[in-house]
Amino acid sequence: DGGITQSPKYLFRKEGQNVTLSCEQNLNHDAMYWYRQDPGQGLRLIYYSQIVNDFQKGDIAEGYSVSREKKESFPLTVTSAQKNPTAFYLCASSIGPANTEAFFGQGTRLTVV
Amino acid sequence: KNQVEQSPQSLIILEGKNCTLQCNYTVSPFSNLRWYKQDTGRGPVSLTIMTFSENTKSNGRYTATLDADTKQSSLHITASQLSDSASYICVVSDSWGKLQFGAGTQVVVTP
Repeated sequence: DGGITQSPKYLFRKEGQNVTLSCEQNLNHDAMYWYRQDPGQGLRLIYYSQIVNDFQKGDIAEGYSVSREKKESFPLTVTSAQKNPTAFYLCASSIGPANTEAFFGQGTRLTVV
Repeated sequence: KNQVEQSPQSLIILEGKNCTLQCNYTVSPFSNLRWYKQDTGRGPVSLTIMTFSENTKSNGRYTATLDADTKQSSLHITASQLSDSASYICVVSDSWGKLQFGAGTQVVVTP
């Protein structure tokens, strides 16, 4: 599992609700990332953070928010503004910039009901 | 247009047989190329990572090749096992560290 823990594994959300996905790593990595995975598509970057208290939007940040108050934690909030939130969400971390090896968590499957 | 294209989209092979997966990319400037294995419902796990100067790299029964001139890579699985059933994802990093993911090749190994 590479020392990255995502929770919960499965999450159900009613339309109009915000939900927060947890990602914790004990690898002492500076950089952390959130990706979204949809069937038949490659992973797409939502947000990334290269250092505590700093984060940047990825390719599909609309409808999502993050925080990086601690080095080991990078929670992702899926807001009601995200129109199609049902997907598999993956968190990753790396020692430094994305040129270095990235380790992934086990993922959270979010379903809107 | 996706900058990383993988083929085939899926394949079925008999246990014990070999197979080769393909990855073509247009990412530029190129930094490195990685192959990941992703079991259903789980996170990807790294198999190999290759830089511009590396042509081939092995990890057990997995052998990856890279031709940076033609921007092609392949992943060869030797003597497949049932546990090789998974999605194999090609990921290319540019010089600024941005990762581009292929859609993956779904491999099913049957007894």
